[in-house]
Amino acid sequence: DAKTTQPPSMDCAEGRAANLPCNHSTISGNEYVYWYRQIHSQGPQYIIHGLKNNETNEMASLIITEDRKSSTLILPHATLRDTAVYYCIVRAGANSKLTFGKGITLSVRP
Amino acid sequence: KAGVTQTPRYLIKTRGQQVTLSCSPISGHRSVSWYQQTPGQGLQFLFEYFSETQRNKGNFPGRFSGRQFSNSRSEMNVSTLELGDSALYLCASSLSGRAGTGELFFGEGSRLTVL
Repeated sequence: DAKTTQPPSMDCAEGRAANLPCNHSTISGNEYVYWYRQIHSQGPQYIIHGLKNNETNEMASLIITEDRKSSTLILPHATLRDTAVYYCIVRAGANSKLTFGKGITLSVRP
Repeated sequence: KAGVTQTPRYLIKTRGQQVTLSCSPISGHRSVSWYQQTPGQGLQFLFEYFSETQRNKGNFPGRFSGRQFSNSRSEMNVSTLELGDSALYLCASSLSGRAGTGELFFGEGSRLTVL
């Protein structure tokens, strides 16, 4: 019952920006957008989250559209180590469960 | 500080047996969640414990159970194992309440194979 839609895969060249899209057209006003990634054979890793403002941290930037129906995760300078499955998740708050969808597989090529 | 620790990392069981998996959260984290990951179904939420109480529950049969101890360590148990229970079981801990942003810290997982 994931509330997000992501393309199954995409690739980008090493050193270039990777822009990962996510559609969440049914998002409610109190729901946050979270991004996690999972590198093969490891547990998922938190990247960033936001409510309605754009957010940036040392790993990535999150751009949320004004109507909040979609967002884009930006990895500004992708490296080979960024090859992973990226999950976009909407969540009602810090104490609600995290429901993962199928995610998008990002392949960074040399 | 130490991350989330799961034991055992790998185990093999046969159908009908039961298994107990353990998770030690990051120090100070009071919420522990469990997930099952399979190639076909992806990451599926099992349950979450906070202060020794189950706070959220996923759609799994009663054979899957868990508990949390007063030191926040958690265990999950699967009884009467089936072939389809073969999976990577992931534990995640987080700060909760106002002190937390909801960021989950995952362990490396326990890979269960049922023969």
